[in-house]
Amino acid sequence: NAGVTQTPKFQVLKTGQSMTLQCAQDMNHNSMYWYRQDPGMGLKLIYYSVGAGITDKGEVPNGYNVSRSTTEDFPLRLELAAPSQTSVYFCASSSIRGRNTEAFFGQGTRLTVV
Amino acid sequence: RKEVEQDPGPFNVPEGATVAFNCTYSNSASQSFFWYRQDCRKEPKLLMSVYSSGNEDGRFTAQLNRASQYISLLIRDSKLSDSATYLCVVNSGDSNYQLIWGAGTKLIIKP
Repeated sequence: NAGVTQTPKFQVLKTGQSMTLQCAQDMNHNSMYWYRQDPGMGLKLIYYSVGAGITDKGEVPNGYNVSRSTTEDFPLRLELAAPSQTSVYFCASSSIRGRNTEAFFGQGTRLTVV
Repeated sequence: RKEVEQDPGPFNVPEGATVAFNCTYSNSASQSFFWYRQDCRKEPKLLMSVYSSGNEDGRFTAQLNRASQYISLLIRDSKLSDSATYLCVVNSGDSNYQLIWGAGTKLIIKP
């Protein structure tokens, strides 16, 4: 069972470069999320989506963009990378909007912006 | 005040001991509560949901106190493999159902 797959696992970018973090899930979950986690900190929600064609900003959306053209895929785009975006990025999915729904995570992408 | 607060620790506990930690949340409208476990440099994984009446899963017991707005996690007979960071999670209480994450409590079990 693949679950939630994130690529790449590691990435180094130069300031000003752009890139897309890929996230795919094969559980037919309608909700998907992108989080970042800085060292010693909790997860901060960047963007989320409750279904194909629907996306919403989370707590820290500046500098990022997302799209949700299919149920399976939820890519995160960094247009002009900045050192402040150095972090670990986690993609997650859950089955329904509602109570007591478990979030399944990808293995994370460790991004360094130099 | 942070929306979800946890003591960052670390809690250094001898193997076999009982350890407990709390988490406080600020939004009285929150309806769903969870404990996740995160191993070093890995993704979080659900440990257990927290129900109003309290619930137990093996050596782990979770409690919810709505009046004081905190949840707790008790680990009995701790094992070396319990060493991890424990994340408290509550939902936003609105129709968006955002999950609000605490920064985590680090637990180290020593032989």
